[in-house]
Amino acid sequence: EAQLVESGGGLVKPGGSLRLSCEASGFTFSNAWMSWVRQAPGKGLEWLGRIKSNNDGGTADYAAPVKGRLTISRDESKNRLYLQMNSLRSEDTAVYYCTTEYEYPDAFDIWGQGTMVTVS
Amino acid sequence: DIQMTQSPSSLSASVGDRVTISCQASQDIGDSLNWYQQKPGKAPKLLIYDASDLATGVPSRFSGSGSGTDFTLTISSLQPEDIGTYHCQEYDDLPRRTFGQGTRLEIK
Repeated sequence: EAQLVESGGGLVKPGGSLRLSCEASGFTFSNAWMSWVRQAPGKGLEWLGRIKSNNDGGTADYAAPVKGRLTISRDESKNRLYLQMNSLRSEDTAVYYCTTEYEYPDAFDIWGQGTMVTVS
Repeated sequence: DIQMTQSPSSLSASVGDRVTISCQASQDIGDSLNWYQQKPGKAPKLLIYDASDLATGVPSRFSGSGSGTDFTLTISSLQPEDIGTYHCQEYDDLPRRTFGQGTRLEIK
């Protein structure tokens, strides 16, 4: 069964940094293009960025509001996806999900359970 | 940037009711639209892809329609387990994805 499990969330002070991790299992992670999506309390979903597989260049694209503060990376030897977040602000408080297009191109059909980040 | 607007923001309906949720794009996105269901405290789940195709395992009471700028998610006969928040999401301007603000569905 394809599965994603996030970790690394917690409480951080404004201006601080945090790195989230997402462990993949049950599918060929090395072929997967992976995304991060977040959801602030009581708000909608916000796509943050995506990283291609290393076979496809391994480059990352970001949503304009977070570009420059967030960095997505991957370690295919560990089946892990990462989100490095710097210069954190109160508005970054959210549940952070990793997700991927597994069975359907351009649709997020595998999601992790999410990890909460609180900036305060 | 493409903006996605859902309506209503919330609704309450009775078991067995036909429920419709609308999603409007700020520009023509063809059929580049997905729908997700999110139950409280859980991750979103894909319901509909490419505007009208049912994802594997999704009950047939769910359906999607529309193209261009106006889209609809329909639940033909509301069941208690359908409570949650429904999100539309466009993928016309890849790699960017934009979600609607969500529609919260409650049982009356």
